[in-house]
Amino acid sequence: AQTVTQSQPEMSVQEAETVTLSCTYDTSESDYYLFWYKQPPSRQMILVIRQEAYKQQNATENRFSVNFQKAAKSFSLKISDSQLGDAAMYFCAAGAGSYQLTFGKGTKLSVIP
Amino acid sequence: NAGVMQNPRHLVRRRGQEARLRCSPMKGHSHVYWYRQLPEEGLKFMVYLQKENIIDESGMPKERFSAEFPKEGPSILRIQQVVRGDSAAYFCASSPRASLRTYNEQFFGPGTRLTVL
Repeated sequence: AQTVTQSQPEMSVQEAETVTLSCTYDTSESDYYLFWYKQPPSRQMILVIRQEAYKQQNATENRFSVNFQKAAKSFSLKISDSQLGDAAMYFCAAGAGSYQLTFGKGTKLSVIP
Repeated sequence: NAGVMQNPRHLVRRRGQEARLRCSPMKGHSHVYWYRQLPEEGLKFMVYLQKENIIDESGMPKERFSAEFPKEGPSILRIQQVVRGDSAAYFCASSPRASLRTYNEQFFGPGTRLTVL
């Protein structure tokens, strides 16, 4: 079983600046995966980035990168060069195997022009 | 390759009626997951199905809710005698296979927003 905590209900960032969204988790599994999903107003769930727990190297996807601190059970998302289209709800999630993803409550990101 | 399809996108029911939500997984995917998102909350796992089998229903309410994934046709999430607290967005996801050793990405559908009057 996993628990995922996002302590920032809302965040804002100036366009072109960098913002970091926080996430902490707890799990009894030794082999697990962590994810950040984006949910724009359309409500479609879009996978932004994923991290395998056995990999020490932090995942990156273009302007998105994570800071994975396994011992601290921390998994933050950094968005560089923020764009207006990045405005959305962001959910941190944890999973083991291929089912039962556990989501945090989300962080609403606003991008200020 | 079409993505995960869900219909209807919006469903309005009166208290006591039945709601049927449909999910067609991506082509080649035989594993389906249902999640519920209450207002201002993250998604909560409900049930995991393979063709003709319920694998894990630990997140399903014990009463009024049922799910199936028949050999032919879409997966159905059925809510009997709906109450106002059932109002939520219901998301379906699919994956090609499941393994405890490797993660297989779940692809999400657009969701069905259920409103109970």
